[in-house]
Parts: sequence; structure tokens; C-alpha cells
Amino acid sequence: RKEVEQDPGPFNVPEGATVAFNCTYSNSASQSFFWYRQDCRKEPKLLMSVYSSGNEDGRFTAQLNRASQYISLLIRDSKLSDSATYLCVVRPLGGGSQGNLIFGKGTKLSVKP
Amino acid sequence: ETGVTQSPTHLIKTRGQQVTLRCSSQSGHNTVSWYQQALGQGPQFIFQYYREEENGRGNFPPRFSGLQFPNYSSELNVNALELDDSALYLCASSFGQGAYEQYFGPGTRLTVT
Repeated sequence: RKEVEQDPGPFNVPEGATVAFNCTYSNSASQSFFWYRQDCRKEPKLLMSVYSSGNEDGRFTAQLNRASQYISLLIRDSKLSDSATYLCVVRPLGGGSQGNLIFGKGTKLSVKP
Repeated sequence: ETGVTQSPTHLIKTRGQQVTLRCSSQSGHNTVSWYQQALGQGPQFIFQYYREEENGRGNFPPRFSGLQFPNYSSELNVNALELDDSALYLCASSFGQGAYEQYFGPGTRLTVT
């Protein structure tokens, strides 16, 4: 089982749609969780950290379910500029690779006019 | 922009050669992590440097090595290049030991022929 698994995508949605991405992680001792956004041939950019209580930043809402080892990202009122690949990222606790962020393969979102 | 810079932006090398990639961290950050991103994959952790010492390493062979300098900038060296080393190499800057929120530079795209 992969350490971080995401919906394969691609997601093709019209402007204004609500879209949800899901992610599961295998290491129950994982400590920190993030969503990054990556535009084509660019670097990943931190979109938001994910907290146990859930958190919202404008049109973006992230949820964490530690019991199910599940993370989600909801984008409301999609804009053309939201088109990108969304990467689910987990930081495990301890182990031999301190500082290790584990990335999923990403889910591609394409928002159409 | 994150303030993290990398050089060069693109590089073409021949199998068996050696390469050095450079990264300058964001002002105030003392930790640099290096990642390799193959096409269609999420970034994979290579290693992290904190206060000039290696602070964790991913599943990469010893021909991948690094340095961090007193100003917290960093180098990634790869010896005996292989075709599979062709990828986008990303450095990420953060503050403190461990991963927490990491901010990526634009990357160096390495092609090995």
C-alpha cells in the first residue's frame, strides 16, 4: 500500500462548481498534514496546513479524520485559476527520515469556462 | 514568491557525469530539504540539512550527497549520473528541525542522456 494515496483524477469541472479531493495515508503515527498546489512545470506551493479540527481559507476547506487516516480538500465556486495539480502531503512522526514530507502523486484539476 | 532560489534552472548531463545543484533558502530559515520529482509523480524526499548537518535521509543511494553552508544555502551533488536521475530537483526551505511548513524553490530540471 502506498504511504499517501489520492484520487487519480483528472477532475474536469465547470467554473463555479464545488469539487472535493480525497487522500488516505497509511502511517497512523503521521503528525502533520498539508495540501500543496502545483502548476504545470512549476514548484509545489503550500496551499494550507490541515488541522484536526478542520480549517477553512476562503473557498478552500480542509478536513482531517485521524481515525480513518483520511484527509480531504473542498474547493467551492471553482475558478479557472484553480486549475492545477493538488498534492496531499503527510509528515510522519519519527523514523529515520526526520524532516521527511511524503507526497501523494497528486490529483489534476481542470476548471473549464 | 517564497524567496527560495535554485540554480541552474535547466541542466543536461551525460550518463556517468557528476552534477552540483544549488539552493538559497528563504531569509530566516535554517533548514533545507531536497526532493526529486519524476514526471507524473509527487516529490520524493532525498535528504534534509539543519544547521549544516544532515537531519534525515530518504531512500536514495550514497551517490546523492549534500552540504549546507553557514548562511544556510545548500548543495545537492549527484555522482555517476544514471538515465533515471532525469527529474525536477526541488529544494524546500523551512525553519527548525523537522518538516513543518516547507516552501519550495522553482527547481532544477535535470536531463541525463
